[in-house]
Amino acid sequence: DADVTQTPRNRITKTGKRIMLECSQTKGHDRMYWYRQDPGLGLRLIYYSFDVKDINKGEISDGYSVSRQAQAKFSLSLESAIPNQTALYFCATSEASQETQYFGPGTRLLVL
Amino acid sequence: GESVGLHLPTLSVQEGDNSIINCAYSNSASDYFIWYKQESGKGPQFIIDIRSNMDKRQGQRVTVLLNKTVKHLSLQIAATQPGDSAVYFCAENWATDSWGKLQFGAGTQVVVTP
Repeated sequence: DADVTQTPRNRITKTGKRIMLECSQTKGHDRMYWYRQDPGLGLRLIYYSFDVKDINKGEISDGYSVSRQAQAKFSLSLESAIPNQTALYFCATSEASQETQYFGPGTRLLVL
Repeated sequence: GESVGLHLPTLSVQEGDNSIINCAYSNSASDYFIWYKQESGKGPQFIIDIRSNMDKRQGQRVTVLLNKTVKHLSLQIAATQPGDSAVYFCAENWATDSWGKLQFGAGTQVVVTP
């Protein structure tokens, strides 16, 4: 079984809709991250969480929100989706004292 | 701002040859570097990492070289196989922050030809 899972794997939505992307991990890691990937660009950090009570904005948090429901779960919401949020979204985890991050399989989102 | 970048967007390699993927970084305070492999339709997969107190680190068929003088990082893949076809990312840890934020490069597409 995969250590980091993301649901859904693919999603098509319309402008203005609210959607949620979910991430679960069985690695027992305290830290979790959300990134987006666009063609020709590196991964960009949206939000990160060091534990259940800790939420921090990344470099591109506008238009997004997150919820850390448990150590193993970290969800990303688009409050009102817009077409330029069309991208690949990745969840990642890491141990508290380690820089290495482990990624999920990604969610491909298309906003029409 | 400082950033990580790759010299070549696409690298074509013949099966069996060695591959060298390059990465330039500009943040002299970075103390940790990591390479990821991303196959089509999948998330980035950890390959190998290196800390700034090392110049070289070897894994299975892969070697990472770090040249701090010229701020250059490379990934060498020995005897490249078709399964090595993927996008390869380097990332650096911006130690100037209070925590280890990873800054990613755009990636290099490696295409292995028979």
